[in-house]
Amino acid sequence: GAVVSQHPSRVICKSGTSVKIECRSLDFQATTMFWYRQFPKKSLMLMATSNEGSKATYEQGVEKDKFLINHASLTLSTLTVTSAHPEDSSFYICSARGLQSSYEQYFGPGTRLTVT
Amino acid sequence: GQNIDQPTEMTATEGAIVQINCTYQTSGFNGLFWYQQHAGEAPTFLSYNVLDGLEEKGRFSSFLSRSKGYSYLLLKELQMKDSASYLCAVIDSNYQLIWGAGTKLIIKP
Repeated sequence: GAVVSQHPSRVICKSGTSVKIECRSLDFQATTMFWYRQFPKKSLMLMATSNEGSKATYEQGVEKDKFLINHASLTLSTLTVTSAHPEDSSFYICSARGLQSSYEQYFGPGTRLTVT
Repeated sequence: GQNIDQPTEMTATEGAIVQINCTYQTSGFNGLFWYQQHAGEAPTFLSYNVLDGLEEKGRFSSFLSRSKGYSYLLLKELQMKDSASYLCAVIDSNYQLIWGAGTKLIIKP
């Protein structure tokens, strides 16, 4: 149980375009979803926390207008990188937390974004 | 501020035992996780400790001392596939997950 999927797994886009990444909890209802960014050889950096039906809470230094997060249902959250630039190239990982597990986060497989 | 410290890198030999330490200073404590992350992949759950003591799960064990703000992950009978980064993460009083930078474990034959 507790499977989280992410789509796409890899995406290459041109500078200036927008990219949407989907995160789905497949077999449980995710009341809270988290979006992380990870640079090579670095640990996870929390970007934002989203609760179903409400606005996401962004961490300090993360531009909410650039990284749009939507958590419209208990099984789906999306992250849209708007007007992407090469410095946005990174590994983006989502995780989800359900009602049954108060603390444990279940991670998606990640999305490798490359902006050319 | 909140801080989690773990060694940046460790090297061990196949078949041996290795202990990865994690010390933390956080505003409150509601549990500690260990995750394994292979290069280019998302983290996978290894263990969760909220009470003092040792939790054993196969070749992996995790220990917690809340009074010392200290945990370790013990890996026995090391295999080449155990080469990965190991992330320590603490849940603080606001139920936020605070992540360590991770320890890269290199296993040599």
